[in-house]
Amino acid sequence: IVLTQSPGTLSLSPGERATLSCRASESVLSDYFAWYQQKPGQAPRLLIYGVSSRATGVPDRFSGSGSGTDFTLTINRLEPEDSAVYFCQQFGSSPLFTFGPGTKVNI
Amino acid sequence: QVRLQESGPGLVKPSQTLSLTCSVSDDSITSDSHHWNWIRQPAGKALEWVGRIHISGSTNYNPSLKRRVTISLDTSKNQFSLQLTSVTAADTAVYYCTRSSFFLSYGLDVWGQGTTVTVSS
Repeated sequence: IVLTQSPGTLSLSPGERATLSCRASESVLSDYFAWYQQKPGQAPRLLIYGVSSRATGVPDRFSGSGSGTDFTLTINRLEPEDSAVYFCQQFGSSPLFTFGPGTKVNI
Repeated sequence: QVRLQESGPGLVKPSQTLSLTCSVSDDSITSDSHHWNWIRQPAGKALEWVGRIHISGSTNYNPSLKRRVTISLDTSKNQFSLQLTSVTAADTAVYYCTRSSFFLSYGLDVWGQGTTVTVSS
């Protein structure tokens, strides 16, 4: 499966909403879909797993949705600390884990 | 709080073998619910899954690397390791060890800080 993310870069102001898309070249197996946040010089951090479940400690401003081949990460009430690269990821098809190229969010 | 820490040489010569170890704290690599993975990321690029191992001994590798990769467990030290043979400059990347959990739909919920490996003579 190949994952394509859009847009490549998103520039928004604090308080606005960000909508990030991830499209898979084939249907993703079950609910094995996740989103990660990566800040410069840091390891990625799991935000969303199982398409729409927030990982421990993730603010409820972050939400995930989608099914099949189209998935969305929504970030409400953007804060400056949300500036990062966001990656989508699927599990189950060969290779077992694949990641999207990332969307850079500038606040 | 579970912590993962990568260790190993930061510089490897072309054609040689890259060897990294991940030390796991506050969790056991013998847990049946978790797999232990290696992910890499070339500078400025996307993440690439390298492979994973489970306490059962089961391993899965990225087909693009399968001929060159071996992941193993050392239960006595609560560590797991990566070996990548016949390296080239294309293997230069930050290497992360991570944990995936069955209960989180195999999300990668714990990451090491990453270690930079450069392949150069």
